[in-house]
Amino acid sequence: EAQVTQNPRYLITVTGKKLTVTCSQNMNHEYMSWYRQDPGLGLRQIYYSMNVEVTDKGDVPEGYKVSRKEKRNFPLILESPSPNQTSLYFCASSSLGGGNEQFFGPGTRLTVL
Amino acid sequence: AQSVTQPDIHITVSEGASLELRCNYSYGATPYLFWYVQSPGQGLQLLLKYFSGDTLVQGIKGFEAEFKRSQSSFNLRKPSVHWSDAAEYFCAVANDMRFGAGTRLTVKP
Repeated sequence: EAQVTQNPRYLITVTGKKLTVTCSQNMNHEYMSWYRQDPGLGLRQIYYSMNVEVTDKGDVPEGYKVSRKEKRNFPLILESPSPNQTSLYFCASSSLGGGNEQFFGPGTRLTVL
Repeated sequence: AQSVTQPDIHITVSEGASLELRCNYSYGATPYLFWYVQSPGQGLQLLLKYFSGDTLVQGIKGFEAEFKRSQSSFNLRKPSVHWSDAAEYFCAVANDMRFGAGTRLTVKP
């Protein structure tokens, strides 16, 4: 089954404790991205990647890191999480080309205390 | 600045009534437009998309949307809403992967 998986689905952590949210897709997509969803703000793009070893900032990259060492994986790293990073995070992937549909993972709800 | 606007934060309709969710965009060229639905606790699922051609596009679950260049709009419609349509709906522009703030739909019995 074609899908985007994220782990963990739920995470409660404390300020400053490094964490990684994994994302994997099995559709051989070149494009992958991370979004955060906050009430009243919709989805805002954090980082995206056009292919292996190619990443770029989205609209809200501060406090986040990503890497793309393999085509299927695109982890999101919070080196020193802060409470304002409490949010719902989505990973998505698509094939390259104008206007291709993005496939979304189920989401990771992160709480930073 | 390029933007996507969904003017309605929350809409309530009765089951069986018609529905229209508004989406306006601000882009220089004709954008690639999408509507996604997010059911409670779920990820986003594509309802329909517009690239070019026929301005009335059909999607899944009985939804349709009409692209109106003159109004910079891409409104989502459904003739008869079902209780299972209660969800949050997002309009998006593919050109730079920008999403609207979303419209939450409540369906009354």
